[in-house]
Amino acid sequence: GQQLNQSPQSMFIQEGEDVSMNCTSSSIFNTWLWYKQDPGEGPVLLIALYKAGELTSNGRLTAQFGITRKDSFLNISASIPSDVGIYFCAGAIVNTDKLIFGTGTRLQVFP
Amino acid sequence: DAGVTQSPTHLIKTRGQQVTLRCSPKSGHDTVSWYQQALGQGPQFIFQYYEEEERQRGNFPDRFSGHQFPNYSSELNVNALLLGDSALYLCASSLPDSNEKLFFGSGTQLSVL
Repeated sequence: GQQLNQSPQSMFIQEGEDVSMNCTSSSIFNTWLWYKQDPGEGPVLLIALYKAGELTSNGRLTAQFGITRKDSFLNISASIPSDVGIYFCAGAIVNTDKLIFGTGTRLQVFP
Repeated sequence: DAGVTQSPTHLIKTRGQQVTLRCSPKSGHDTVSWYQQALGQGPQFIFQYYEEEERQRGNFPDRFSGHQFPNYSSELNVNALLLGDSALYLCASSLPDSNEKLFFGSGTQLSVL
């Protein structure tokens, strides 16, 4: 099935560092979303973006909707151990409610 | 307020068998979507139910079918199970005017032997 490309695939960082990850697509989306999944759980919505160029924050998390509508970026500032998990981007296809998910970025934070 | 609940949490079946997974949406949500998540992959859209009708469908064979009940709860049925059907099956619900913001359950881990 179709999946968005996320990079990096995995990250190993020290507590307190900032993190950047991105998501790209060959298709245009009208909505971008970022989810976090912990082991044994379903994904949890972090941020939703609705307009090209939009920059939205949720605490230490900041996400941007790329101006081409084919990419999105997520930044986490001052990482903490509970940031550990897999981060997925997702795009909503125009005129549908179907979400296409990315391949995921696995984040490990070391004290 | 309970979130999205799924049952069972784990299930083991053999090839050729049939399975039914269940989902209760978050209170106030009327739309239910099902996703399949293979190990190490992102979730893949199976289908979405609204007003007891299948509204949209992903690229899954007819062996995958579903149902939504008047109380908005939903079932996912898979017939003639294949080894490749082994995955985490996630149910997600959403608000009537915000179908892109999905609230996921913890999933049912299906193993096909």
